[in-house]
Amino acid sequence: AQSVTQPDIHITVSEGASLELRCNYSYGATPYLFWYVQSPGQGLQLLLKYFSGDTLVQGIKGFEAEFKRSQSSFNLRKPSVHWSDAAEYFCAVALGPGGYNKLIFGAGTRLAVHP
Amino acid sequence: GAVVSQHPSRVICKSGTSVKIECRSLDFQATTMFWYRQFPKQSLMLMATSNEGSKATYEQGVEKDKFLINHASLTLSTLTVTSAHPEDSSFYICSATPLAGGYEQYFGPGTRLTVT
Repeated sequence: AQSVTQPDIHITVSEGASLELRCNYSYGATPYLFWYVQSPGQGLQLLLKYFSGDTLVQGIKGFEAEFKRSQSSFNLRKPSVHWSDAAEYFCAVALGPGGYNKLIFGAGTRLAVHP
Repeated sequence: GAVVSQHPSRVICKSGTSVKIECRSLDFQATTMFWYRQFPKQSLMLMATSNEGSKATYEQGVEKDKFLINHASLTLSTLTVTSAHPEDSSFYICSATPLAGGYEQYFGPGTRLTVT
């Protein structure tokens, strides 16, 4: 069955430090992968996506993610974290046409940023 | 572009009453709209997928008679929680996929439902 795993429930970093949020997926076909961010009491905002091509994708707010097929991973990175990046981050995989474009979400990683 | 709105943002209702939540795609036409439920500090759980003009497809374990979904146009889908009970209190989020295609979903800001 398709699944998305985000191993880290909580991560705390200092402002200005680098960040990496882990995401592993289990999906038989070519995955369509996404990272979303959610601020408290808000909906989800798309940070970036991978469909095909270059495995290093750039997103908004200075985020990037790298697709590694051999590791079934799609980790999110940012070189220097800002206090405003504190939020919940969700990794997701789309099931594609056969799955009617449904998204499977990971459990989320809550990011706290120390000043 | 690709803005999705939800109304209301918050609603409090009494047990036994029904509540309707609207989801609108403001600047694009949506082939498909999705309804999610999110419990505090948890991930999103897909409740149902709706396509304009057809019946919604519900996920396993979601009561279709309790959570009525109507997708009357390419820009509007509604979720009605019928005979609401306190356990239905949750954060409901909708999303939409543009008619132009793709696998991206654009999310609304969510609706906080509290049933007293």
